[in-house]
Amino acid sequence: KQEVTQIPAALSVPEGENLVLNCSFTDSAIYNLQWFRQDPGKGLTSLLLIQSSQREQTSGRLNASLDKSSGRSTLYIAASQPGDSATYLCAANFGNEKLTFGTGTRLTIIP
Amino acid sequence: SAVISQKPSRDICQRGTSLTIQCQVDSQVTMMFWYRQQPGQSLTLIATANQGSEATYESGFVIDKFPISRPNLTFSTLTVSNMSPEDSSIYLCSVAPAVGYEQYFGPGTRLTVT
Repeated sequence: KQEVTQIPAALSVPEGENLVLNCSFTDSAIYNLQWFRQDPGKGLTSLLLIQSSQREQTSGRLNASLDKSSGRSTLYIAASQPGDSATYLCAANFGNEKLTFGTGTRLTIIP
Repeated sequence: SAVISQKPSRDICQRGTSLTIQCQVDSQVTMMFWYRQQPGQSLTLIATANQGSEATYESGFVIDKFPISRPNLTFSTLTVSNMSPEDSSIYLCSVAPAVGYEQYFGPGTRLTVT
């Protein structure tokens, strides 16, 4: 069964620190992986898409990595800000563009 | 990118009734998906709705409960039928502009069934 896991479920970090969010998936035959943020009561905002042929993708203070062999992806956030507080979801595309979502990490940046 | 709108944004419905959720995209897309997010949970795919074909449902979801229409390349509806409190969730539509491309989500419809 293709599954996606995110640990920890919640994380609190002081403002200004760099942090890493983790995502694990069970099937190395992944097409791509997408990171989203979700603010309370809102929809999903796409942050980064990383293809299976890529190892890294960057957008501003965000950097996503993908290691198919180990079944892991990370989202690195540099110089965290209170506005980064949200739930972060990773989603794997194992084929047919259907996304399998992780359980999410609720991030709180402490001012 | 694609801009997606959903109607209604939220609703409170009585047990046994049905609600139809609309999803409108600002550009033509082939692939459209419907997801459910139960309280405190992550997203689960309900079905894939590609224009010109019947919707394809995931395990645990059936057409009688969640009928879907996809009349054209910019619009889809999801109906939640004969609702029960267990159907209280956020329902989101998403689109994939092309294979391997970034996917975009609508703002969601927050449904509460009493």
